[in-house]
Amino acid sequence: GAVVSQHPSWVICKSGTSVKIECRSLDFQATTMFWYRQFPKQSLMLMATSNEGSKATYEQGVEKDKFLINHASLTLSTLTVTSAHPEDSSFYICSASTGHLYGYTFGSGTRLTVV
Amino acid sequence: DQQVKQNSPSLSVQEGRISILNCDYTNSMFDYFLWYKKYPAEGPTFLISISSIKDKNEDGRFTVFLNKSAKHLSLHIVPSQPGDSAVYFCAASGGSNTGKLIFGQGTTLQVKP
Repeated sequence: GAVVSQHPSWVICKSGTSVKIECRSLDFQATTMFWYRQFPKQSLMLMATSNEGSKATYEQGVEKDKFLINHASLTLSTLTVTSAHPEDSSFYICSASTGHLYGYTFGSGTRLTVV
Repeated sequence: DQQVKQNSPSLSVQEGRISILNCDYTNSMFDYFLWYKKYPAEGPTFLISISSIKDKNEDGRFTVFLNKSAKHLSLHIVPSQPGDSAVYFCAASGGSNTGKLIFGQGTTLQVKP
């Protein structure tokens, strides 16, 4: 089956630093990947849609200069949280499209804590 | 504006009984609905889906019902098992959100042995 690997699973960083999260499709090519964030006891909020070889499409209210998304290959998308602040602490999850309509596979998520 | 709502944050049922998880939506353009199961610190895993042209879809112990006029869907799990204990999210797509998933807040299901 389609497998998506997300790394790291958790990270603690100091305020003001940048953190990169990787999302890899291991056994399929994903032209489209999605990035979500989830606050405790809340829904998964779509942040952006990442398409291989083109700029990401950000949802309303998401700062594109703060959350940099790169989708340089068909198997890798990265999310960089720049100049992180404590309010950026959250659970970030990626998903990759398998090509089948609504065939999305999710990564295991990254718990980011900014101190 | 929350387009997909799961108004029950938690549900507790006895093993062997039926679990019914509910989901309401406001966008009439949604035409595809999915249910995901999620454990803490893990990503969601797909359970079952339904297209708006159907009102019921069944897969083993899981059945999803869709009432378009009420903009309501529900997930039935029969019989419930302790391993079903997790957070369940409904998600919807369609209209201007085609290709994207709009998630509800989730319902935590606890199945007691």
